[in-house]
Formats: sequence, C-alpha cells, structure tokens
Amino acid sequence: EIVLTQSPATLSLSPGEGATLSCRASQSVSSYLAWYQQKPGQTPRLLIYDKSNRATGIPARFSGSGSGTDFTLTISSLEPEDFAVYYCQQRSDWPYTFGPGTKVDI
Amino acid sequence: EVQLVESGGGLVQPGRSLRLSCVASGFTFDDYAMHWVRQAPGKGLEWVSTITWNGGIIKYADSVKGRFTISRDSAKNSLYLQMNSLRVEDTALYFCAKDRLAARGAFESWGQGTLVTVSS
Repeated sequence: EIVLTQSPATLSLSPGEGATLSCRASQSVSSYLAWYQQKPGQTPRLLIYDKSNRATGIPARFSGSGSGTDFTLTISSLEPEDFAVYYCQQRSDWPYTFGPGTKVDI
Repeated sequence: EVQLVESGGGLVQPGRSLRLSCVASGFTFDDYAMHWVRQAPGKGLEWVSTITWNGGIIKYADSVKGRFTISRDSAKNSLYLQMNSLRVEDTALYFCAKDRLAARGAFESWGQGTLVTVSS
C-alpha cells in the first residue's frame, strides 16, 4: 500500500498570506495525485487532479506541482473561505490512499 | 448539475448488514467510474471501493474485502454498497463519489453522505 504523508499537520496563517502544503508518497505515484479541500461539516471538494490540473471552477490561486514522491499544493493568497483541511490522494495503485490531511487555520 | 444522493445508513448492531444506495443525476451515469469513500467521526478520508463504468473492474480496501460488495444499476442510475458482517470500526459517514473518468481518475463530485453507526 502506498502511504501518503502530509506536512505540516496544521498551518496557521492569515488571509492574504501564501500557503505551501506538502504531500510525500512512500513510493512513486507518477503524476497520479489529487488534492481535496474539506470545510467543517461539508463534503470534500476536488481541487487538483493529476498533480497540477485544476478541477472545474477552482480559482487560479490554487496550484499543484511535483512528481514521483513529492508534491506541493500552493495557495497563492489565502481567502477567508480557504481555511479548511486539505487531503492528498493517489490513484497510481490499488488501494487508493489518502494522506492524513493538513489543517489550514487562522 | 451533478447530484449524488446517498441513503440507507443507520444504527446497526455488530455482525448485521446494511445496504447503501446512491442515486445519481445530472450526468451520463454509464460513462463514469463510481466510488465509495468513508470518514469516521473526526477522522480523515478512507477509500472503500471502486467500480468502473461497466463494472469490469471492482476494487475494495483490505479493511472491507470479503464483507462489502459494490454494484451499480444503469437503469436506475444508482450505485450500491452491500455491507455485511459490520464491525464497530465501520462506523463512518459514507460518501458516494463520481470519478472524472470511466475507469481510474479522481473523485470529481461527492454526495452529502449517509451515516452508518455500528454499535451494540
């Protein structure tokens, strides 16, 4: 099973600041990595698929990069609605796995 | 607009069964893989099962293999999860999710979830 590790566990920032979230895989997942956002009491939302492709309707301030085992989700300038938990997920191999999440709070 | 509406959750004793349903609308159901993902209270996301567009590939997490069965009915635009031999650790909010692709993509759209509580 491919294990995904996310860091940091919590990121405390202010609106307007940039955020850099990391996801590391225990083995290469090629480019088959996605990022999801989940706000309290809400369902997850797909932000980025296949490493760097923004899903429909996702603002340009969200960007993904990396390859192989190391990936980054960057939020260029935090909006108040961006404070949430972010999960990475790989589809390179079965079983699909998620990282434990990074909480971005104020 | 894509809509996924789950149902069938509830309180059940360990060892019993439940069948979850997910009715899909707003897209051509037959063209996409579908998934079940769960989230235990206060915890992260856990992938449970996947079925491709034509049912040709079905996969399960090890934690549910042999106990859960995923299926789909194109006539009813519905996805199902038959859960047998339920355990306390199966307690979670179960989400139905639509894939981006016919086979193996990302979880593009999510339902609101249905809560399964396994307790004596």
